[in-house]
Amino acid sequence: AQRVTQPEKLLSVFKGAPVELKCNYSYSGSPELFWYVQYSRQRLQLLLRHISRESIKGFTADLNKGETSFHLKKPFAQEEDSAMYYCSVRGTSGSRLTFGEGTQLTVNP
Amino acid sequence: NAGVMQNPRHLVRRRGQEARLRCSPMKGHSHVYWYRQLPEEGLKFMVYLQKENIIDESGMPKERFSAEFPKEGPSILRIQQVVRGDSAAYFCASSPNGRGLGANVLTFGAGSRLTVL
Repeated sequence: AQRVTQPEKLLSVFKGAPVELKCNYSYSGSPELFWYVQYSRQRLQLLLRHISRESIKGFTADLNKGETSFHLKKPFAQEEDSAMYYCSVRGTSGSRLTFGEGTQLTVNP
Repeated sequence: NAGVMQNPRHLVRRRGQEARLRCSPMKGHSHVYWYRQLPEEGLKFMVYLQKENIIDESGMPKERFSAEFPKEGPSILRIQQVVRGDSAAYFCASSPNGRGLGANVLTFGAGSRLTVL
């Protein structure tokens, strides 16, 4: 069964500090990993996906198959990054998307 | 493109009543997903449908809950004989055809918040 673990429910950093949101997954096969974000009073939306290998809003995430991790990182956090972040995994096309419990990131001024 | 539309945004029901939540996917999307978010918890998968077909309902409670996505009209999540524990935010998402890279990206609605008195 596919499973996603986000060990931190709450994460607080100061503006300009590096931030890392942890995500570990379990899935047998070749999963696709995503990070979704929900800003205050907005809809949940895609932030980035591992196959794109891109940086969005300064965030990057590298898939580490050996450690089954997909941690989200940003070298210098900004106040507008404060939001709820969900890591998610999906197997082959046609299968469901499973979310972690989410991490509430707060970036303090 | 109006995106994924969910209604009602807020629904109040008394114990024992029925709740119906509707979801219209994005234009061109043929797959719909329902998730539930209980207070202080993450998103829990409930069901995944395409038109006239349930693909995966492994997250649906065995009783009182049902979902459909008819050929015409929105997808409907139906909860019969609601109890207080059903109070939650119910999110719908849609995606294009279930195959290919784009299929794995979900577009979410704003959610429907159900309160059971």
